[in-house]
Amino acid sequence: GAGVSQSPSNKVTEKGKDVELRCDPISGHTALYWYRQSLGQGLEFLIYFQGNSAPDKSGLPSDRFSAERTGGSVSTLTIQRTQQEDSAVYLCASTTSGARGPQYFGPGTRLLVL
Amino acid sequence: RKEVEQDPGPFNVPEGATVAFNCTYSNSASQSFFWYRQDCRKEPKLLMSVYSSGNEDGRFTAQLNRASQYISLLIRDSKLSDSATYLCVVNLGGSNYKLTFGKGTLLTVNP
Repeated sequence: GAGVSQSPSNKVTEKGKDVELRCDPISGHTALYWYRQSLGQGLEFLIYFQGNSAPDKSGLPSDRFSAERTGGSVSTLTIQRTQQEDSAVYLCASTTSGARGPQYFGPGTRLLVL
Repeated sequence: RKEVEQDPGPFNVPEGATVAFNCTYSNSASQSFFWYRQDCRKEPKLLMSVYSSGNEDGRFTAQLNRASQYISLLIRDSKLSDSATYLCVVNLGGSNYKLTFGKGTLLTVNP
């Protein structure tokens, strides 16, 4: 079946611009996560959505970052007034069973802020 | 102690070698354990879950030692295609939906 998909695969933007990154989780997966991975670094948790519960935004690095999940499926991560330090790969993952089960990742969006 | 700590690597081994990766985790209440692999410029992919009794999948064997808060991954008869970064992943138990990822160990299998 279809895996997690993300778009765009690559995004180059200028400092100060806003960007939107999209994630389509695996059909039927109720939990969705966003992570960030900078060059040569580990995965940094950003935000978690589970069903209709309030999202856990504890990993968002600043108030320039926000995310929403519409209809319990597609999610959009928005970065406002991008900075060069926002350059990274943004990965989305989904799972059916919360933390007990493994997460399945999309291919990521490579963001470069010039 | 770091939440999830792995061998720093990198590991360079010849084809056919056996290689072992180790990982320690900080919270004894941790519930779930996984090994992922990540190829260069790709997303992490699940390699295997780790069960209390240990488990094997072909050339790969995972072990869990709850008393020592330690998990391991053994790769036998390594192949060139095993070259990747191996990530130790743990649900640390505090927030029951969060997985914490180690920084990974880079493995290069040489011909």
